[in-house]
Amino acid sequence: SQTIHQWPATLVQPVGSPLSLECTVEGTSNPNLYWYRQAAGRGLQLLFYSVGIGQISSEVPQNLSASRPQDRQFILSSKKLLLSDSGFYLCAWSTGNTEAFFGQGTRLTVV
Amino acid sequence: EDKVVQSPLSLVVHEGDTVTLNCSYEVTNFRSLLWYKQEKKAPTFLFMLTSSGIEKKSGRLSSILDKKELFSILNITATQTGDSAIYLCAVPYSGGGADGLTFGKGTHLIIQP
Repeated sequence: SQTIHQWPATLVQPVGSPLSLECTVEGTSNPNLYWYRQAAGRGLQLLFYSVGIGQISSEVPQNLSASRPQDRQFILSSKKLLLSDSGFYLCAWSTGNTEAFFGQGTRLTVV
Repeated sequence: EDKVVQSPLSLVVHEGDTVTLNCSYEVTNFRSLLWYKQEKKAPTFLFMLTSSGIEKKSGRLSSILDKKELFSILNITATQTGDSAIYLCAVPYSGGGADGLTFGKGTHLIIQP
């Protein structure tokens, strides 16, 4: 069966510091991968999606970037965090025209 | 731009009550509508609806889609405290393929004992 791992679960980082959140999927090949952010009162917002290694599409302009160095690995990064980057970050996978399955999320607090 | 609106945004009921959560949508090319339950962390999948008028059911939860009026409802009967969660409604991006989901803001449901 398929599983998705996301870490760390919580993170407190100072403004201006770098960020790296990692997500890996097991039990499936060539998944579509997604990064979402959930801010209070705003619902889940799609940040990036990827249909294959090295293929990244961004949905909103922001201070973040994503990379997919391997088929089942998706990384969310920032060179310098802003206060507004605080939120709950969720990684998800799907096979395209089906439901998406989510990781446990990372609660990021920028101080 | 795709749009999903959920109502109410929050709801407090007593155990045993029946609740109805609403989701309306505007998309260029409709493919499906999905419901998720989010308790603490990861949203978990409940239903995917593609056809009007066909009820999907799982235990005490059921959902139906009206493609003419562009909305869906999620019903929970005989609610229990374990049903307390945020219920999310989403539609796939109209671009098709692996573009991701547009979510509503969710309904925060609290079941009081």
